[in-house]
Amino acid sequence: GAVVSQHPSRVICKSGTSVKIECRSLDFQATTMFWYRQFPKQSLMLMATSNEGSKATYEQGVEKDKFLINHASLTLSTLTVTSAHPEDSSFYICSARAGGPSNEQFFGPGTRLTVL
Amino acid sequence: GQQLNQSPQSMFIQEGEDVSMNCTSSSIFNTWLWYKQEPGEGPVLLIALYKAGELTSNGRLTAQFGITRKDSFLNISASIPSDVGIYFCAGLVWDSNYQLIWGAGTKLIIKP
Repeated sequence: GAVVSQHPSRVICKSGTSVKIECRSLDFQATTMFWYRQFPKQSLMLMATSNEGSKATYEQGVEKDKFLINHASLTLSTLTVTSAHPEDSSFYICSARAGGPSNEQFFGPGTRLTVL
Repeated sequence: GQQLNQSPQSMFIQEGEDVSMNCTSSSIFNTWLWYKQEPGEGPVLLIALYKAGELTSNGRLTAQFGITRKDSFLNISASIPSDVGIYFCAGLVWDSNYQLIWGAGTKLIIKP
């Protein structure tokens, strides 16, 4: 159990376009989902926390107008990178919090974004 | 803010050797999690520890939640080639805030 999927796994886009990444919890309901960014050879950096039915909470230094997050249902959160630039190229990973006593986070497989 | 110190940063070992890595913090955590990440993939949860002093195994992996709640170690016995990857510890705080704090990772490389 506790499977999280992400789509797409890889995307290449031109500078100035917007890219949407989907994160789904497949076999559990996730009231909270998280979006991370990971640079090569570094640990995961939390970008924002997404709660179903409410606005996302962004970490300091993350532009909310640049990285739009929508958590429309208990199994789906989306991250839209608007007007992407080459410096937005990165590995984006989502995770979903399993409720109840465990509270662990389960991670998606990640999305590799390359902005040309 | 809270930080985790994870060591070693990388390990070069022979197949069959045992591996040990650890994380320490100046802060107390409710839960310690150990993840493995392979290139181009998201982290996969290996072991979750919920109580101070808890010792948990998952196959050849053993992890312990330190008695002070400020540290944890992960051991891998008799390493095999598929153990290669980056291992991350993460400390979880979930009282008024839910926060997952990450270690910097330990890269495991197995010498041929």
